[in-house]
Amino acid sequence: NAGVTQTPKFRILKIGQSMTLQCTQDMNHNYMYWYRQDPGMGLKLIYYSVGAGITDKGEVPNGYNVSRSTTEDFPLRLELAAPSQTSVYFCATRTGQETQYFGPGTRLLVL
Amino acid sequence: GQSLEQPSEVTAVEGAIVQINCTYQTSGFYGLSWYQQHDGGAPTFLSYNALDGLEETGRFSSFLSRSDSYGYLLLQELQMKDSASYFCAVRAFNYGQNFVFGPGTRLSVLP
Repeated sequence: NAGVTQTPKFRILKIGQSMTLQCTQDMNHNYMYWYRQDPGMGLKLIYYSVGAGITDKGEVPNGYNVSRSTTEDFPLRLELAAPSQTSVYFCATRTGQETQYFGPGTRLLVL
Repeated sequence: GQSLEQPSEVTAVEGAIVQINCTYQTSGFYGLSWYQQHDGGAPTFLSYNALDGLEETGRFSSFLSRSDSYGYLLLQELQMKDSASYFCAVRAFNYGQNFVFGPGTRLSVLP
């Protein structure tokens, strides 16, 4: 089992460009999350999903969008990238227990 | 709102015992989780306290006291590989899936 995979590992964007961060899991977990982590800081929840077709905003959703068409995939879309979106993005999954399983992360630099 | 506080840095020597505290201001929540994150890596789950008291997992133990709004992670027989950042996290009853993470404590283990 691969667990939680994220692509790309690293990306440089120009201001105003858009991109999609991919997250795929093979654990059949219903709950999926997108976090961002700024240098030296904790994780902030961007969006989450409790199952296919159901998504909701977290603490810092502005500038992002998500979709969940299948159990496995939970892509995060950045529209009109801004320097403030420079961060490391982590996708995570969860069963009904409280344990979250994190992907390796995507490092995004917006210049 | 919800907030968690942790010391920013802790330093200890190999073989020692170290305690990382987490104090919180939140209403009812499901439990307190702890995650470890090495530099450049993803957070990995360490421990979870649903109830007050001590949970032990090998060299790691975690404690929760809801009456004192306080928890801690205890690391025993410290090893160099324990040098990492440690985050506490909660999911409040009235915030659905919105996990809130503390700012993290950076542990440095010296030889």
